[in-house]
Amino acid sequence: AQKITQTQPGMFVQEKEAVTLDCTYDTSDPSYGLFWYKQPSSGEMIFLIYQGSYDQQNATEGRYSLNFQKARKSANLVISASQLGDSAMYFCAMRVNLGGSTLGRLYFGRGTQLTVWP
Amino acid sequence: DSGVTQTPKHLITATGQRVTLRCSPRSGDLSVYWYQQSLDQGLQFLIQYYNGEERAKGNILERFSAQQFPDLHSELNLSSLELGDSALYFCASSSRDSNYGYTFGSGTRLTVV
Repeated sequence: AQKITQTQPGMFVQEKEAVTLDCTYDTSDPSYGLFWYKQPSSGEMIFLIYQGSYDQQNATEGRYSLNFQKARKSANLVISASQLGDSAMYFCAMRVNLGGSTLGRLYFGRGTQLTVWP
Repeated sequence: DSGVTQTPKHLITATGQRVTLRCSPRSGDLSVYWYQQSLDQGLQFLIQYYNGEERAKGNILERFSAQQFPDLHSELNLSSLELGDSALYFCASSSRDSNYGYTFGSGTRLTVV
């Protein structure tokens, strides 16, 4: 069975500091993708970053990086230089690439509410 | 604009009623996914369609049904509504060509009173 665990219901960080949001996953499939989404209070789901299970290097997208530790089955999101606009709910998600297909559904964690204070 | 259009954005209806949520996927995307987000259940996968055919089914109640039409838009039908069906319903679309091409719509917020 596939499972995503986010153990931090809430996190607080001061503006301009870095913050790490934790995510662990469980799957027995060797091919999968890991995603992070941001959901501000307005409700939309914003894609942040993606990591494939066979990717050798950690993914980076601007201020976002994904600390991928395959043996530990963790995929933590690191946000550098936090901004007030980063305050939102953050979801970790996984897709299993059954038969090599990248069209599988996403499994989501429960999310982490990040609050950035001045 | 993400490219995925969901209508309506808000819906308030009474218990026992039936509603239809509509989703137009991003141009070129053949796969459509429906998710339900509620405070107690989190983000739950409901159902997936690919080019008009049901591809995967998740935690979708028997009172709920969906379909994808030849023009690739999809509709999620919710019937005999209960208070607990109040949630944010997301549609997302994807294509084979994109490794991480899930595009989410802005959601339909359903309130059952």
